[in-house]
Amino acid sequence: RKEVEQDPGPFNVPEGATVAFNCTYSNSASQSFFWYRQDCRKEPKLLMSVYSSGNEDGRFTAQLNRASQYISLLIRDSKLSDSATYLCVVNSGRRALTFGSGTRLQVQP
Amino acid sequence: EPEVTQTPSHQVTQMGQEVILRCVPISNHLYFYWYRQILGQKVEFLVSFYNNEISEKSEIFDDQFSVERPDGSNFTLKIRSTKLEDSAMYFCASSADLVGGYTFGSGTRLTVV
Repeated sequence: RKEVEQDPGPFNVPEGATVAFNCTYSNSASQSFFWYRQDCRKEPKLLMSVYSSGNEDGRFTAQLNRASQYISLLIRDSKLSDSATYLCVVNSGRRALTFGSGTRLQVQP
Repeated sequence: EPEVTQTPSHQVTQMGQEVILRCVPISNHLYFYWYRQILGQKVEFLVSFYNNEISEKSEIFDDQFSVERPDGSNFTLKIRSTKLEDSAMYFCASSADLVGGYTFGSGTRLTVV
């Protein structure tokens, strides 16, 4: 089983739509969780950390379910500028972050 | 906003040559990393570095690779004898602690011909 697994997509959605991405991780001892965003041929950029209680940052909401080892990201009111690859990232205590393969989002006008 | 700086942005080298990729992490960060991303593939961990020594390395980080922090600001990745399959984007990252996210540099695109 992959350490961090994501649906590669692509998710093609119209502007204004709500879209949700899911991610599962294999190591139950994982301690920290993040969503990163990566534009084509650019570096990953931290979008938000993910906390057990769930957290929101503007149009973005992240949820963590430790029992199911599942992380989600919800984007409301999608903008064209949200088009990117979204990376689920887990710190499994190995002193380094482990990246999923990413889910590609394309927001269409 | 503080940033991680990488140079060069693009390097082309012949197979068998040595390359050194350079990074300047954020000044008050204590943990440093190298990752790579082959075109179309996921971001892969190479090595982490703390207190002037390697904390952890992946199976990719074999004897061909080495890292150094020569002067307290630069953090370098050396590939001794490059292979075609070393062609990738190499990202440097740094963090203030072990639980927060990392800040990544804009990467060095290495092309081995």
